[in-house]
Amino acid sequence: TQLLEQSPQFLSIQEGENLTVYCNSSSVFSSLQWYRQEPGEGPVLLVTVVTGGEVKKLKRLTFQFGDARKDSSLHITAAQPGDTGLYLCAGLTGANSKLTFGKGITLSVRP
Amino acid sequence: NAGVTQTPKFQVLKTGQSMTLQCAQDMNHNSMYWYRQDPGMGLRLIYYSASEGTTDKGEVPNGYNVSRLNKREFSLRLESAAPSQTSVYFCASSGLAAAYEQYFGPGTRLTVT
Repeated sequence: TQLLEQSPQFLSIQEGENLTVYCNSSSVFSSLQWYRQEPGEGPVLLVTVVTGGEVKKLKRLTFQFGDARKDSSLHITAAQPGDTGLYLCAGLTGANSKLTFGKGITLSVRP
Repeated sequence: NAGVTQTPKFQVLKTGQSMTLQCAQDMNHNSMYWYRQDPGMGLRLIYYSASEGTTDKGEVPNGYNVSRLNKREFSLRLESAAPSQTSVYFCASSGLAAAYEQYFGPGTRLTVT
């Protein structure tokens, strides 16, 4: 069973602060995805990273895939209350169409 | 396009009752999934269907059955509900993109008393 460990589990910060959260595994993934989930809704895909070392930017969010394709990080610059939510990472092994999800990081950005 | 739709949005059952959760997608996706989400447990895969006509067990299949009715629809059935099945259930679909990026429905909040 491939496990994805996300850290920290909970994060509460002030608007304007920067933060970095992590998604780690001992397994190699062919791709890794990040989703954001708001209360009462389903997860929404933010980004997919495929190549080791790849960096993708989505406005103030920067995603990086580790060189060995076992881990990923999400950096948010100047966090805003609209960034509040549950951030999930999910890895694909390539063996089938199933994703392995981490347990998520609950982010709260205070105005 | 509606994307992925789920019905019902909320449901309360008594122990032992049965019900079917419905899911439909209009994106012509081949693969469909059912997950449950519980506090502190993340998303856990119950069953999935890689293509029309096939279904496979996921991580937590006990107590559930599924039917891939056609390419659009994938239903989840609880034959005899138990309090341990109180959860939020999400249906998702993905196309043939290499990364199998998933599109989720809004969820069904199920309480079993």
